[in-house]
Amino acid sequence: EIVMTQFPATLSVSPGERVTLSCRASQSVSSNLAWYQQKPGQAPRLLIYGASTRVADVPARFSGSGSGTEFTLTIADLQSEDFAVYYCQQYDKWPFSFTFGPGTTVDI
Amino acid sequence: QVQLVESGGGVVQPGRSLRLSCAASGFNFGNHGMQWLRQAPGKGLEWVAAIWYDGSNKYYGDSVKGRFTISRDNSKNTVDLQMNSLRVEDTAVYYCARRDGYIPYWGQGTLVTVSS
Repeated sequence: EIVMTQFPATLSVSPGERVTLSCRASQSVSSNLAWYQQKPGQAPRLLIYGASTRVADVPARFSGSGSGTEFTLTIADLQSEDFAVYYCQQYDKWPFSFTFGPGTTVDI
Repeated sequence: QVQLVESGGGVVQPGRSLRLSCAASGFNFGNHGMQWLRQAPGKGLEWVAAIWYDGSNKYYGDSVKGRFTISRDNSKNTVDLQMNSLRVEDTAVYYCARRDGYIPYWGQGTLVTVSS
């Protein structure tokens, strides 16, 4: 099974800052990597797929990069509504399995 | 638009059974695999089970194998999760999702609490 690691576990930041979240796979997943945002009491929301393709209604301040085993999600000019938990997910072995990272909490 | 509506959650004692259901709309249900994922309180996301578009193949996560059964009814656009021999550690919000590599569509989830 491919194990996903995210760091840091928690990131304390202020509105207006630029933040970079990291995700690492235990083996190459090519570009088959997605990022999700989850707020309390809500289902996850897909932000990025294919490592760098932003979903249509996601603000341009969100960007993804990386391939193979190292990936990043960058949020430029952090807004108050961006405080949430962010998960990465690999789907390289789909449809047989896919795995999520443990998440990074972005808080004030 | 795609909609997924889960139901059937509740409080159940350890060892008992519960059946979850998911009603899908807004896409050609019979052309897509479906799956269940879950999230324990304060924890991350875990894939639970998946079923092929025609029900011919079913896959389960190690933690539920032998206890949970996924099924679907393409005439009703529903996918179910029969959960037997429930354990305290099965307590979670259960989400239904279309079986895509990444997951663009999520239901609102249904809470299952296993407690004596």
